[in-house]
Amino acid sequence: DSGVTQTPKHLITATGQRVTLRCSPRSGDLSVYWYQQSLDQGLQFLIQYYNGEERAKGNILERFSAQQFPDLHSELNLSSLELGDSALYFCASSVGPTANTGELFFGEGSRLTVL
Amino acid sequence: AQSVTQPDIHITVSEGASLELRCNYSYGATPYLFWYVQSPGQGLQLLLKYFSGDTLVQGIKGFEAEFKRSQSSFNLRKPSVHWSDAAEYFCAVGAGVWDTGRRALTFGSGTRLQVQP
Repeated sequence: DSGVTQTPKHLITATGQRVTLRCSPRSGDLSVYWYQQSLDQGLQFLIQYYNGEERAKGNILERFSAQQFPDLHSELNLSSLELGDSALYFCASSVGPTANTGELFFGEGSRLTVL
Repeated sequence: AQSVTQPDIHITVSEGASLELRCNYSYGATPYLFWYVQSPGQGLQLLLKYFSGDTLVQGIKGFEAEFKRSQSSFNLRKPSVHWSDAAEYFCAVGAGVWDTGRRALTFGSGTRLQVQP
């Protein structure tokens, strides 16, 4: 158990809909990262928040947004969903503001299926 | 930009045999390098990491990796594979100590390891 909690574990929805994925980081971790894992794209970095502020941005679509709340949990909002958004979305956390120490702790992921 | 290549998508080894998973990276300076493992239905777990110093690093579960600057490689090895090692393995690169840019880890596409009895 990494200490990172993601909900929901599975989600099935239709094209055009909007969903919210939730992540609670490990106790004491201030950074939250969102990654998308799909068969054709592999593990793609979406966005990072550190102590409530956006820290780094990756290949995140404009239809997607995220935020980190004062209690440090984070939400990833996916809107106008397309079939290609079907993937496993991982949240990871770390203590500090930079990921390059590699000490990322991953949740078990939220599997999104768009029909 | 940093990048990682894992040339083997799928590898099958017999239990007890040795294992080597390949990883090549692209980065302008000395990077930080990592191997993660993802068991079925689980998130990724850090196996080992290289920052500097001794180029042979030891990790958890009996794994080791060797950094070879001349080959831009960071291959993962294990002398004797156990059935429980069946999983997907990801190599990742992070910006080195001199890079103050805000970059996340870049992961390779993964190598799926199957272990035959």
